[in-house]
Amino acid sequence: EAGVAQSPRYKIIEKRQSVAFWCNPISGHATLYWYQQILGQGPKLLIQFQNNGVVDDSQLPKDRFSAERLKGVDSTLKIQPAKLEDSAVYLCASSAWDGMNTEAFFGQGTRLTVV
Amino acid sequence: AQSVTQLDSQVPVFEEAPVELRCNYSSSVSVYLFWYVQYPNQGLQLLLKYLSGSTLVKGINGFEAEFNKSQTSFHLRKPSVHISDTAEYFCAVKYSGAGSYQLTFGKGTKLSVIP
Repeated sequence: EAGVAQSPRYKIIEKRQSVAFWCNPISGHATLYWYQQILGQGPKLLIQFQNNGVVDDSQLPKDRFSAERLKGVDSTLKIQPAKLEDSAVYLCASSAWDGMNTEAFFGQGTRLTVV
Repeated sequence: AQSVTQLDSQVPVFEEAPVELRCNYSSSVSVYLFWYVQYPNQGLQLLLKYLSGSTLVKGINGFEAEFNKSQTSFHLRKPSVHISDTAEYFCAVKYSGAGSYQLTFGKGTKLSVIP
């Protein structure tokens, strides 16, 4: 079974530029998550999708971050414009459904450096 | 909202010695508990999970954890560590939020195994 795929693996941009990350979840997984992991901290949930609908985006900085999951499969996360404090690893995860006992499977992440 | 506290940010230990990584969570009616491992430049991999039943949970790579409801703890243990166990370990709690199930992570503990 293929895992969660993310691209690119690394990205360096200047502040005020825009950037986009892509995620392809495990086939058939209805729930998709984007997490932000700042160096020295645990992952923080940015947004959670159930199929192509948003179920939680309470911690997403909506003035600069946006995410979509068209057709309930792949997802993109965009930052525009980027700030220095956005430097982090962005992790995508998916689970079969949104339940208490479902396991989330993580991709390798995209490491973003904003200079 | 739930919170997870990992009491040690770094734990050095000699090879073949035992190790315990501590995790406490804020109390709630119903939570599920997880330990994830993150190797350098990799995503998170599930080590073990507690959903219900026996409070002693066994996971992969010889790790185990004990759920203690009265102390709201879920400490991770291994009787004899190997060099390959050098990684960062994250404790996480899943609970029922507003319309979805939230997976909240601690800040992580870096385990360094010394030859």
